[in-house]
Amino acid sequence: AQKITQTQPGMFVQEKEAVTLDCTYDTSDPSYGLFWYKQPSSGEMIFLIYQGSYDQQNATEGRYSLNFQKARKSANLVISASQLGDSAMYFCAMRVRNNNDMRFGAGTRLTVKP
Amino acid sequence: GAVVSQHPSRVICKSGTSVKIECRSLDFQATTMFWYRQFPKQSLMLMATSNEGSKATYEQGVEKDKFLINHASLTLSTLTVTSAHPEDSSFYICSARDARGGQDTQYFGPGTRLTVL
Repeated sequence: AQKITQTQPGMFVQEKEAVTLDCTYDTSDPSYGLFWYKQPSSGEMIFLIYQGSYDQQNATEGRYSLNFQKARKSANLVISASQLGDSAMYFCAMRVRNNNDMRFGAGTRLTVKP
Repeated sequence: GAVVSQHPSRVICKSGTSVKIECRSLDFQATTMFWYRQFPKQSLMLMATSNEGSKATYEQGVEKDKFLINHASLTLSTLTVTSAHPEDSSFYICSARDARGGQDTQYFGPGTRLTVL
């Protein structure tokens, strides 16, 4: 069975600093995809970044980077130069290639302080 | 990026009535769409997987007769909450799988907030 774990219910970061949001996963399937989504108070799920299990390099998208440590089964999201608009819920998700559906972690609420 | 629309964004209905929510992929064809439910301050819970032209696959504990899903075309899936009750009040989010290229990403609609009085 697949499992996604986010152990940080809430995180605070000072504006302009970097922050790491933790995510660990568990699956026996060697082929899987890892995703991070941002959900602001409006409710919309905004796709941030994707990492495939066979990708050799860590994924990066602008200020977002994914610290993928396959042996540890972790896929932490790093947000650099935090902005006030980054305050939101962040969800880590995984999809195993043999399945269609995506499973989500419990989420981390990030608050950026001015 | 790909866009998924959802309509309506907010609906209030009386107990016992049915509500239909539409999910559309606007710039790509989605053979697979998903319906999630989210309670306040909780994560998204998958309700069902909708495949174009076939019956939806429901997660354990989700009543298929209560939550009717139709995926009639490659760009449209609908969720109908039948005989709605106050406990059905929730935030419903659809998503569409974009398997173009190598990313195989899921894009989400803006969600529908359902309130059943």
